[in-house]
Amino acid sequence: GNSVTQMEGPVTLSEEAFLTINCTYTATGYPSLFWYVQYPGEGLQLLLKATKADDKGSNKGFEATYRKETTSFHLEKGSVQVSDSAVYFCALSGGNNRLAFGKGNQVVVIP
Amino acid sequence: EAGVVQSPRYKIIEKKQPVAFWCNPISGHNTLYWYRQNLGQGPELLIRYENEEAVDDSQLPKDRFSAERLKGVDSTLKIQPAELGDSAVYLCASSSSPAGASYNEQFFGPGTRLTVL
Repeated sequence: GNSVTQMEGPVTLSEEAFLTINCTYTATGYPSLFWYVQYPGEGLQLLLKATKADDKGSNKGFEATYRKETTSFHLEKGSVQVSDSAVYFCALSGGNNRLAFGKGNQVVVIP
Repeated sequence: EAGVVQSPRYKIIEKKQPVAFWCNPISGHNTLYWYRQNLGQGPELLIRYENEEAVDDSQLPKDRFSAERLKGVDSTLKIQPAELGDSAVYLCASSSSPAGASYNEQFFGPGTRLTVL
């Protein structure tokens, strides 16, 4: 079945540092890929998406490129802010609108 | 525009007691989802409704869980009786179904945090 694997553990970094969160996936066919973000006390929000190979999703300074050859969709941001502190989830959809999520990574940005 | 509304936000019950969660989706969204999110994990789909029809309930533990979506709008998820392992956050999401869309963005509510003692 479809599954998503995110790197283990929380990520703690200083303001203006470069952020990378790794995500790899296993799926049949050609899934769509997503990053969701969950700010403290709020619901999950779609951050960005890519629906086919080599697509780059971007939003709020975050980017991720759909890499079919490495089955990856790593999230990056060049200069994080304290307001980026949240939990980030990688997810995929195999076309039946059923989202498969990774475990999530908590990101803590220190001033 | 109001988002997905869920209530209650928190619920603490004793094991073997029943519990119900309520969800009001975004107006006009005909697809509604219930997810369960265990601590330290990503959400997992329990059931998906298209209007009032449950079209994907393969992950719903039907011995103790039930759900309904009367009139294709609000939905209720029930657990009876609750077990210790049911402690989790229960998320509701909704989406529209525009013709030709390859993916319908799901909008999530804040969730109900259930603690079973």
